[in-house]
Amino acid sequence: AQSVTQPDIHITVSEGASLELRCNYSYGATPYLFWYVQSPGQGLQLLLKYFSGDTLVQGIKGFEAEFKRSQSSFNLRKPSVHWSDAAEYFCAVGEVGGGADGLTFGKGTHLIIQP
Amino acid sequence: EADIYQTPRYLVIGTGKKITLECSQTMGHDKMYWYQQDPGMELHLIHYSYGVNSTEKGDLSSESTVSRIRTEHFPLTLESARPSHTSQYLCASGDSSSYEQYFGPGTRLTVT
Repeated sequence: AQSVTQPDIHITVSEGASLELRCNYSYGATPYLFWYVQSPGQGLQLLLKYFSGDTLVQGIKGFEAEFKRSQSSFNLRKPSVHWSDAAEYFCAVGEVGGGADGLTFGKGTHLIIQP
Repeated sequence: EADIYQTPRYLVIGTGKKITLECSQTMGHDKMYWYQQDPGMELHLIHYSYGVNSTEKGDLSSESTVSRIRTEHFPLTLESARPSHTSQYLCASGDSSSYEQYFGPGTRLTVT
């Protein structure tokens, strides 16, 4: 069965500093990979996705992520964080050709922004 | 912009009551999903649907049931609520040509 690991439960970053959130997945097939952001009391918003092609994908709000098959990783990055980026971030994996089965999510990383 | 709605946003209810959580989407998506999310935890899939009259159980066992009579509507029902059902319930939808899922704002359920 597929699994997603986000090793960092909490990360604290100063405003204006760079950010990298880690995501590792375990999957037998070709995965679809996603990063979602969740603000308190809200649903999930899609930041970016990887299906195929260029392994560096750009998303909304200045985020990017790089798919590294050899490392089974899909880390999320942002060069300069803003206070509004404070939220919960979820990495998720889906199965190519898996039909309507839902996504498998990591436990999330809580991002704290220091002024 | 994805449009998916959930009502109520917050619900506090006593043990033994029957409840229905509503989810509607205006995008004409075939696929719809219900996830359960405990505080500080990941989302777990509890139900999904390929289309009208199609419902399947997800990875996490749940005492809830769902129906899909109309494409845009995917309600979740608990016949007899218990404190163990206290959680956040997130609805999502996606179309058949894409693997993206669009999420509603969630319903936070508290059973006392």
